[in-house]
Amino acid sequence: EAQVTQNPRYLITVTGKKLTVTCSQNMNHEYMSWYRQDPGLGLRQIYYSMNVEVTDKGDVPEGYKVSRKEKRNFPLILESPSPNQTSLYFCASKGVWETQYFGPGTRLLVL
Amino acid sequence: GQNIDQPTEMTATEGAIVQINCTYQTSGFNGLFWYQQHAGEAPTFLSYNVLDGLEEKGRFSSFLSRSKGYSYLLLKELQMKDSASYLCAPLLGGYQKVTFGTGTKLQVIP
Repeated sequence: EAQVTQNPRYLITVTGKKLTVTCSQNMNHEYMSWYRQDPGLGLRQIYYSMNVEVTDKGDVPEGYKVSRKEKRNFPLILESPSPNQTSLYFCASKGVWETQYFGPGTRLLVL
Repeated sequence: GQNIDQPTEMTATEGAIVQINCTYQTSGFNGLFWYQQHAGEAPTFLSYNVLDGLEEKGRFSSFLSRSKGYSYLLLKELQMKDSASYLCAPLLGGYQKVTFGTGTKLQVIP
């Protein structure tokens, strides 16, 4: 079954404690991206990757890092989380001429 | 931003028809997606338009006019489960970068 998986699904952490949200897809897609979704602001792209070792900033990259060492994985790293990064995060992957598939989401609370 | 414009909220009656409009900038346009998103869940794909005209898929149809930078999603025979947000998402500046509007929250009432 074609899918995008994210872990963890829910996370409560404290300010400054580094965390990683994993994302994996099994569709051999080259394009992957991370979004955050906040009330009234819609889905905003954080980072995207066109292929292995090729990543670029989206619209709201501050405070985040990503890596793309393998085609299937695209982890999102928060080196020093702050309360304004409390949000619902979605990973997505897309093939050429295909729709974008979304992971189930990770709900993050930073205290 | 990419100037994607959709109404923030709409209300419609069960069994009725509702049209959700979306306008977007035309520069770098390569197609347009519509997604449905229930609260707290991931968006799910509804339709993809790349050429002008109407695409029908069951109760849902989507229309595109590339020259006008305009699309709409038409939902017929509304059901209570159609209460969700509907996201207009054009491909702008490439074949991979999907840009989202803030979405239209549709409430279906009995």
